[in-house]
Amino acid sequence: EAEVAQSPRYKITEKSQAVAFWCDPISGHATLYWYRQILGQGPELLVQFQDESVVDDSQLPKDRFSAERLKGVDSTLKIQPAELGDSAMYLCASSRTGGGGYTFGSGTRLTVV
Amino acid sequence: GIQVEQSPPDLILQEGANSTLRCNFSDSVNNLQWFHQNPWGQLINLFYIPSGTKQNGRLSATTVATERYSLLYISSSQTTDSGVYFCAVGSSGGSNYKLTFGKGTLLTVNP
Repeated sequence: EAEVAQSPRYKITEKSQAVAFWCDPISGHATLYWYRQILGQGPELLVQFQDESVVDDSQLPKDRFSAERLKGVDSTLKIQPAELGDSAMYLCASSRTGGGGYTFGSGTRLTVV
Repeated sequence: GIQVEQSPPDLILQEGANSTLRCNFSDSVNNLQWFHQNPWGQLINLFYIPSGTKQNGRLSATTVATERYSLLYISSSQTTDSGVYFCAVGSSGGSNYKLTFGKGTLLTVNP
């Protein structure tokens, strides 16, 4: 069964350092999403790509977060500088155009110390 | 934005029992999905069900879009069903297929 690949699985970083997460969606899925999940809450959308274009980044803290999907395939989410409040699970998902069933990756659990 | 409320927030069952989880939403939707998050954090898509009824083994789901709710049924529960169940809804606007998640129902199935 096709999967969404994410790395790293866990990341511990110090406050003010830079950190990056990588996601490889299911082949053929044009839409890619980055969600952030704080402990005890549901995931919230950070950014959505349609192919290589950003469709929605209204909830992305653009002063410190950036995301790219240069060739419309895999994607990188970067935080610089990291803050204590960024500690969370970062989830990548993909879907076919039309927003049908999402497939999520295993996530990256970030701890900022 | 659209509001999603899930109930109950917590549910404890004995293995073999049946349960119903509810999701209410505040606006019309054309995208509704149920997910199970296991103890390791993996979100598994259970159903894509913007309307109607679907069944997959011991799980089934019904969405009544006109009344703005969806139900997830779990029959003959097993310990492996434990975890958090999320309802997520969305409405398409152009190419935006953003999902808004509820806070989830934490299910614990005891042996």
